[in-house]
Amino acid sequence: EVQLVEAGGGLVQPGRSLRLSCAASGFTFGDHVMHWVRQAPGKGLEWVSAISWNSNNIGYADSVKGRFSISRDNAENSLYLQMNSLRPEDTALYYCAKDMVAIDIGGGAIDFWGQGTLVIVSS
Amino acid sequence: QSVLTQPPSASGTPGQRVTISCSGSSSNIESHTINWYQQLPGTAPKLLLYTNNQRPSGVPDRFSGSKSGTSASLAINGLQSEDGADYYCAAWDDSLTGWVFGGGTKLTVL
Repeated sequence: EVQLVEAGGGLVQPGRSLRLSCAASGFTFGDHVMHWVRQAPGKGLEWVSAISWNSNNIGYADSVKGRFSISRDNAENSLYLQMNSLRPEDTALYYCAKDMVAIDIGGGAIDFWGQGTLVIVSS
Repeated sequence: QSVLTQPPSASGTPGQRVTISCSGSSSNIESHTINWYQQLPGTAPKLLLYTNNQRPSGVPDRFSGSKSGTSASLAINGLQSEDGADYYCAAWDDSLTGWVFGGGTKLTVL
């Protein structure tokens, strides 16, 4: 059974940093592109970032470019999102998500989502 | 404002056919395949259709998709009460070099 378990969310002040993690199981983690997608309270889905199986292909939404950094550890079946210079508009439920493909971060489809971890940016 | 445009709401009665549209541009829908997601209240999204019209295992054939030019649509035949959810379209965008989602359509089964 595929499982994605996010952790690391919480309340953080504007300008501070937070690191999210996602523990994967039930599939061959190293064979898939992985994503972070967020959803602000009561709002729609917003893609944040994606990383290919070997970390050679990475993409970010313009809204987080230069502030967020995605990484993965295939040996540990884990995905990470380092979030710096956080803003109130970054407040959202952050989902870790698995893609159907391995290489092309734009060529597949997200086929499984975790339950999310909530990040609240507020003073 | 979302790059992909969906109607904010749709409704139908049990047994009816409902369609949800998703409008984009040459840099996303016209150039790439589209995926559809269903999000039941309080839960994570679930993949409903991929590559325009392919159903993952377990998704009923009541759900179908189509794409033409810069637009796509999701059709639900034989609407059931459990279909009440938010529906999102998604596609890769060449100009933004990233995935874009529609704003979501809240489907109400009357």
